[in-house]
Amino acid sequence: DTGVSQDPRHKITKRGQNVTFRCDPISEHNRLYWYRQTLGQGPEFLTYFQNEAQLEKSRLLSDRFSAERPKGSFSTLEIQRTEQGDSAMYLCASSLDGVLSQYFGPGTRLLVL
Amino acid sequence: DQQVKQNSPSLSVQEGRISILNCDYTNSMFDYFLWYKKYPAEGPTFLISISSIKDKNEDGRFTVFLNKSAKHLSLHIVPSQPGDSAVYFCAAHRTSGTYKYIFGTGTRLKVLA
Repeated sequence: DTGVSQDPRHKITKRGQNVTFRCDPISEHNRLYWYRQTLGQGPEFLTYFQNEAQLEKSRLLSDRFSAERPKGSFSTLEIQRTEQGDSAMYLCASSLDGVLSQYFGPGTRLLVL
Repeated sequence: DQQVKQNSPSLSVQEGRISILNCDYTNSMFDYFLWYKKYPAEGPTFLISISSIKDKNEDGRFTVFLNKSAKHLSLHIVPSQPGDSAVYFCAAHRTSGTYKYIFGTGTRLKVLA
Protein backbone atom coordinates (compact mmCIF):
# COMPACT_ATOMS: atom_id res chain seq x y z
CA ASP A 1 0.00 0.00 0.00
CA THR A 2 1.62 3.26 -1.09
CA GLY A 3 -0.95 5.67 0.31
CA VAL A 4 -0.54 8.20 3.11
CA SER A 5 -0.14 6.49 6.47
CA GLN A 6 -0.59 7.90 9.96
CA ASP A 7 0.45 6.55 13.31
CA PRO A 8 -1.10 5.96 15.78
CA ARG A 9 -4.66 5.62 14.53
CA HIS A 10 -6.06 6.28 18.00
CA LYS A 11 -4.64 8.02 21.04
CA ILE A 12 -6.18 8.52 24.46
CA THR A 13 -4.32 10.80 26.82
CA LYS A 14 -4.86 12.73 29.99
CA ARG A 15 -5.09 16.49 30.03
CA GLY A 16 -1.68 18.08 30.37
CA GLN A 17 0.23 15.27 28.66
CA ASN A 18 2.19 15.71 25.44
CA VAL A 19 1.34 13.68 22.33
CA THR A 20 3.11 13.20 19.01
CA PHE A 21 1.60 11.96 15.77
CA ARG A 22 3.44 10.77 12.68
CA CYS A 23 2.53 11.06 9.03
CA ASP A 24 4.23 9.24 6.17
CA PRO A 25 3.19 10.81 2.86
CA ILE A 26 3.28 9.16 -0.54
CA SER A 27 6.99 8.85 -1.22
CA GLU A 28 7.40 11.25 -4.14
CA HIS A 29 5.04 13.90 -2.74
CA ASN A 30 6.85 17.04 -1.66
CA ARG A 31 3.78 18.84 -0.30
CA LEU A 32 2.40 17.87 3.09
CA TYR A 33 -0.58 19.26 5.00
CA TRP A 34 -1.97 18.78 8.48
CA TYR A 35 -5.66 19.27 9.22
CA ARG A 36 -7.87 18.91 12.26
CA GLN A 37 -11.46 17.72 12.05
CA THR A 38 -14.02 17.83 14.83
CA LEU A 39 -17.47 16.26 14.85
CA GLY A 40 -19.82 17.80 12.32
CA GLN A 41 -17.11 19.94 10.76
CA GLY A 42 -14.93 19.68 7.71
CA PRO A 43 -11.15 19.44 7.91
CA GLU A 44 -9.55 22.65 9.18
CA PHE A 45 -6.15 23.58 7.80
CA LEU A 46 -3.37 23.61 10.40
CA THR A 47 -0.07 23.81 8.53
CA TYR A 48 1.71 23.19 5.24
CA PHE A 49 5.19 21.92 4.35
CA GLN A 50 6.95 22.08 1.05
CA ASN A 51 9.75 19.57 1.38
CA GLU A 52 11.23 20.34 4.81
CA ALA A 53 10.13 23.98 4.91
CA GLN A 54 7.04 24.92 6.90
CA LEU A 55 5.56 27.61 4.67
CA GLU A 56 2.19 28.32 6.24
CA LYS A 57 0.56 27.94 9.64
CA SER A 58 -3.03 28.58 10.61
CA ARG A 59 -3.97 30.91 13.43
CA LEU A 60 -5.61 27.77 14.87
CA LEU A 61 -2.14 26.43 15.54
CA SER A 62 -1.42 27.70 19.05
CA ASP A 63 2.07 27.68 20.49
CA ARG A 64 1.29 24.32 22.10
CA PHE A 65 1.33 22.79 18.62
CA SER A 66 4.49 22.19 16.66
CA ALA A 67 5.06 20.36 13.41
CA GLU A 68 8.23 19.24 11.72
CA ARG A 69 9.29 17.55 8.53
CA PRO A 70 13.02 17.25 9.10
CA LYS A 71 14.14 15.48 5.93
CA GLY A 72 11.25 16.37 3.68
CA SER A 73 9.76 12.91 4.04
CA PHE A 74 7.70 11.99 7.13
CA SER A 75 6.24 14.65 9.38
CA THR A 76 5.38 14.83 13.07
CA LEU A 77 2.77 16.92 14.83
CA GLU A 78 3.28 17.43 18.57
CA ILE A 79 0.74 18.84 20.98
CA GLN A 80 2.11 19.92 24.35
CA ARG A 81 0.03 20.21 27.51
CA THR A 82 -3.04 18.76 25.84
CA GLU A 83 -6.46 20.20 26.63
CA GLN A 84 -9.88 18.60 26.25
CA GLY A 85 -10.56 20.94 23.35
CA ASP A 86 -7.73 19.28 21.42
CA SER A 87 -9.85 16.13 21.08
CA ALA A 88 -10.33 15.71 17.34
CA MET A 89 -9.29 13.75 14.29
CA TYR A 90 -5.89 14.88 12.99
CA LEU A 91 -5.52 14.32 9.26
CA CYS A 92 -2.41 14.42 7.13
CA ALA A 93 -2.49 14.89 3.37
CA SER A 94 0.14 15.02 0.65
CA SER A 95 0.41 16.04 -2.96
CA LEU A 96 2.88 16.71 -5.75
CA ASP A 97 3.94 20.17 -6.83
CA GLY A 98 1.48 21.56 -9.34
CA VAL A 99 -1.30 19.15 -8.32
CA LEU A 100 -4.04 20.88 -6.40
CA SER A 101 -5.83 17.78 -5.12
CA GLN A 102 -4.52 15.96 -2.05
CA TYR A 103 -4.28 12.39 -0.86
CA PHE A 104 -5.42 12.05 2.75
CA GLY A 105 -4.31 9.56 5.35
CA PRO A 106 -6.81 7.76 7.59
CA GLY A 107 -6.22 10.17 10.45
CA THR A 108 -5.26 9.92 14.12
CA ARG A 109 -8.18 10.21 16.51
CA LEU A 110 -7.17 11.96 19.73
CA LEU A 111 -9.22 11.86 22.90
CA VAL A 112 -8.08 14.01 25.79
CA LEU A 113 -9.60 13.02 29.14
CA ASP B 1 -16.59 32.94 9.83
CA GLN B 2 -17.49 30.01 7.62
CA GLN B 3 -16.19 30.90 4.17
CA VAL B 4 -17.43 27.65 2.63
CA LYS B 5 -20.92 26.44 3.51
CA GLN B 6 -22.78 23.26 2.83
CA ASN B 7 -26.24 24.03 4.11
CA SER B 8 -27.69 20.55 3.76
CA PRO B 9 -26.28 18.23 6.43
CA SER B 10 -27.89 15.21 4.80
CA LEU B 11 -29.55 14.03 1.62
CA SER B 12 -31.36 10.81 0.70
CA VAL B 13 -31.78 9.73 -2.91
CA GLN B 14 -33.14 6.63 -4.58
CA GLU B 15 -30.69 4.44 -6.46
CA GLY B 16 -30.53 5.41 -10.13
CA ARG B 17 -31.73 8.97 -9.54
CA ILE B 18 -29.67 12.14 -9.54
CA SER B 19 -27.94 13.38 -6.38
CA ILE B 20 -27.28 17.11 -6.20
CA LEU B 21 -25.00 18.41 -3.48
CA ASN B 22 -24.61 22.14 -3.01
CA CYS B 23 -21.87 24.40 -1.72
CA ASP B 24 -21.68 28.17 -1.28
CA TYR B 25 -18.65 30.32 -0.67
CA THR B 26 -18.14 33.91 0.36
CA ASN B 27 -14.59 34.75 -0.68
CA SER B 28 -14.37 35.86 -4.31
CA MET B 29 -10.61 35.26 -4.23
CA PHE B 30 -11.15 31.49 -4.31
CA ASP B 31 -10.31 30.24 -7.79
CA TYR B 32 -10.16 26.47 -7.42
CA PHE B 33 -12.76 24.16 -5.96
CA LEU B 34 -12.70 20.48 -5.08
CA TRP B 35 -15.07 17.79 -3.92
CA TYR B 36 -13.99 14.99 -1.61
CA LYS B 37 -15.84 11.89 -0.50
CA LYS B 38 -15.36 10.38 2.94
CA TYR B 39 -16.29 6.94 4.17
CA PRO B 40 -16.30 6.16 7.92
CA ALA B 41 -12.87 5.45 9.43
CA GLU B 42 -11.11 6.66 6.27
CA GLY B 43 -9.61 9.96 5.22
CA PRO B 44 -11.31 12.04 2.52
CA THR B 45 -10.78 10.90 -1.08
CA PHE B 46 -10.53 13.38 -3.93
CA LEU B 47 -13.43 13.15 -6.36
CA ILE B 48 -13.46 16.01 -8.85
CA SER B 49 -12.36 19.63 -9.11
CA ILE B 50 -12.99 22.77 -11.12
CA SER B 51 -11.05 25.90 -11.86
CA SER B 52 -12.80 29.26 -11.77
CA ILE B 53 -12.11 29.71 -15.49
CA LYS B 54 -14.63 26.94 -16.18
CA ASP B 55 -18.28 26.55 -15.30
CA LYS B 56 -18.52 22.78 -15.66
CA ASN B 57 -16.30 19.75 -15.27
CA GLU B 58 -17.36 16.19 -15.86
CA ASP B 59 -15.83 12.87 -14.89
CA GLY B 60 -17.95 9.82 -15.51
CA ARG B 61 -21.03 9.94 -13.30
CA PHE B 62 -19.78 13.07 -11.52
CA THR B 63 -20.23 16.63 -12.77
CA VAL B 64 -19.35 19.81 -10.91
CA PHE B 65 -20.98 23.10 -11.86
CA LEU B 66 -19.62 26.49 -10.84
CA ASN B 67 -21.64 29.71 -10.79
CA LYS B 68 -19.14 32.42 -9.92
CA SER B 69 -21.63 35.26 -9.83
CA ALA B 70 -23.68 33.39 -7.25
CA LYS B 71 -20.57 32.02 -5.49
CA HIS B 72 -22.15 28.60 -5.72
CA LEU B 73 -21.04 25.18 -6.83
CA SER B 74 -22.84 21.90 -7.05
CA LEU B 75 -21.92 18.27 -7.52
CA HIS B 76 -24.22 16.09 -9.58
CA ILE B 77 -24.03 12.32 -9.38
CA VAL B 78 -25.94 10.47 -12.09
CA PRO B 79 -27.01 7.74 -11.69
CA SER B 80 -26.61 7.46 -7.93
CA GLN B 81 -25.44 4.10 -6.59
CA PRO B 82 -25.56 2.68 -3.04
CA GLY B 83 -21.73 2.80 -2.96
CA ASP B 84 -21.95 6.57 -3.29
CA SER B 85 -23.33 6.75 0.27
CA ALA B 86 -20.73 8.81 2.13
CA VAL B 87 -20.05 12.29 3.44
CA TYR B 88 -19.16 14.78 0.72
CA PHE B 89 -17.03 17.84 1.41
CA CYS B 90 -16.48 20.76 -0.89
CA ALA B 91 -13.25 22.70 -0.53
CA ALA B 92 -12.08 26.04 -1.87
CA HIS B 93 -8.58 27.28 -2.58
CA ARG B 94 -6.90 30.48 -3.64
CA THR B 95 -4.06 29.49 -5.94
CA SER B 96 -1.91 32.51 -5.14
CA GLY B 97 -0.76 33.86 -1.81
CA THR B 98 -1.73 30.87 0.31
CA TYR B 99 -1.51 27.09 0.50
CA LYS B 100 -4.65 26.83 2.61
CA TYR B 101 -7.74 24.89 1.61
CA ILE B 102 -11.06 25.77 3.22
CA PHE B 103 -13.54 22.92 3.64
CA GLY B 104 -17.28 22.99 4.11
CA THR B 105 -19.01 21.08 6.90
CA GLY B 106 -20.05 18.21 4.66
CA THR B 107 -23.26 16.63 3.39
CA ARG B 108 -24.09 13.04 4.24
CA LEU B 109 -25.52 11.33 1.17
CA LYS B 110 -27.53 8.17 1.53
CA VAL B 111 -28.45 6.32 -1.65
CA LEU B 112 -31.35 3.99 -1.05
CA ALA B 113 -31.46 0.69 -2.92
